[in-house]
Amino acid sequence: DVKVTQSSRYLVKRTGEKVFLECVQDMDHENMFWYRQDPGLGLRLIYFSYDVKMKEKGDIPEGYSVSREKKERFSLILESASTNQTSMYLCASQPADRQSYEQYFGPGTRLTVT
Amino acid sequence: AQSVAQPEDQVNVAEGNPLTVKCTYSVSGNPYLFWYVQYPNRGLQFLLKYITGDNLVKGSYGFEAEFNKSQTSFHLMKPSALVSDSALYFCAVRDWGSSNTGKLIFGQGTTLQVKP
Repeated sequence: DVKVTQSSRYLVKRTGEKVFLECVQDMDHENMFWYRQDPGLGLRLIYFSYDVKMKEKGDIPEGYSVSREKKERFSLILESASTNQTSMYLCASQPADRQSYEQYFGPGTRLTVT
Repeated sequence: AQSVAQPEDQVNVAEGNPLTVKCTYSVSGNPYLFWYVQYPNRGLQFLLKYITGDNLVKGSYGFEAEFNKSQTSFHLMKPSALVSDSALYFCAVRDWGSSNTGKLIFGQGTTLQVKP
């Protein structure tokens, strides 16, 4: 089974702190994604990566950056956390095989910024 | 613009009754469609997908979905609901509007409540 793990299930940070959310997948998938999930808004794509050191902005990249130094690991960085970044953050991975488009999700990190 | 709509925020059904969770879509290319389920405080789990072939797709946990091209719909169904099916359900479609990656566009989600 594909396994996607996220470094924390729950995180509480203060406004202005630098926050790192880590995601690791064990299936050698090329593509990785970071979403935030808010009630009534569904999942919104923050950033995605289709290869090591390659990244593209999603729909809501402002206030976030990402890093992918190794194929299995994709990090989301909040340079200076703000209260409006309080949310559930979901990481996903996906093989680049064009016959298979489903994404595999981690358990999520619920981030609270106070 | 490409989009996915789930017109119902919540669906309530009695245990043992059939359930339907609705999804409509708008895409610029071939419709690659997905359903995911999210249990409380968990990530999303893949249920089923339509890429090509039979319009009726069978997936995990007894769920199935019907692709209807003329109505641009992909409704999720189950003949007999269980209390344990209570969860948040997301419909998604492949995003053809970007670079050649597997980006998905998600609907806003529908909460399914199955009562004993």
